[in-house]
Amino acid sequence: LAKTTQPISMDSYEGQEVNITCSHNNIATNDYITWYQQFPSQGPRFIIQGYKTKVTNEVASLFIPADRKSSTLSLPRVSLSDTAVYYCLVGQRPGGSYIPTFGRGTSLIVHP
Amino acid sequence: GAGVSQSPRYKVTKRGQDVALRCDPISGHVSLYWYRQALGQGPEFLTYFNYEAQQDKSGLPNDRFSAERPEGSISTLTIQRTEQRDSAMYRCASSAAWRGGSTGELFFGEGSRLTVL
Repeated sequence: LAKTTQPISMDSYEGQEVNITCSHNNIATNDYITWYQQFPSQGPRFIIQGYKTKVTNEVASLFIPADRKSSTLSLPRVSLSDTAVYYCLVGQRPGGSYIPTFGRGTSLIVHP
Repeated sequence: GAGVSQSPRYKVTKRGQDVALRCDPISGHVSLYWYRQALGQGPEFLTYFNYEAQQDKSGLPNDRFSAERPEGSISTLTIQRTEQRDSAMYRCASSAAWRGGSTGELFFGEGSRLTVL
């Protein structure tokens, strides 16, 4: 089963680009990589998902190297409202079922 | 409905009582997941359904916890003989389908905060 490792916390300032890297050395061939954002008192919210290379949407970019053993979520020009916990998920399939498994995530604090 | 709806939002109960938490997923969503989240931790998987079939319940802590989704839509998570350690936020999520290795986008409800006195 693929396990993810990401930093516990990060600090940044408004207007900066933030890159959060997640390691997933045992990712399986069919697994996708998904990132979620969670604000206090809310449920996680989907940000972006990818399989390889680069994916970009209106919120973030996801960079995945060829070996897919890691991925980097890139948030351009963060604002105070980007302060949240960010989770990296890799599909886990014990017995063929798909279980989105959350770790502790990365707590991002954006300072003025 | 427009989003995943959970009820009750807050539940305070005494130790030993049974509680039932309800989840109404987005209409048409195939998969429904239950998670439990402690303060400062990520959501912990409990169980999930595809349609009415419970696909995996490996995350349920013990046999006091059970879940059902009898008609493939609304789901109920039941905790019998509650204990103080059961206090947590219980979150439900649904997704439209899954393809290949992707679980599809999960849509979470606002959660049910359970406090066991």
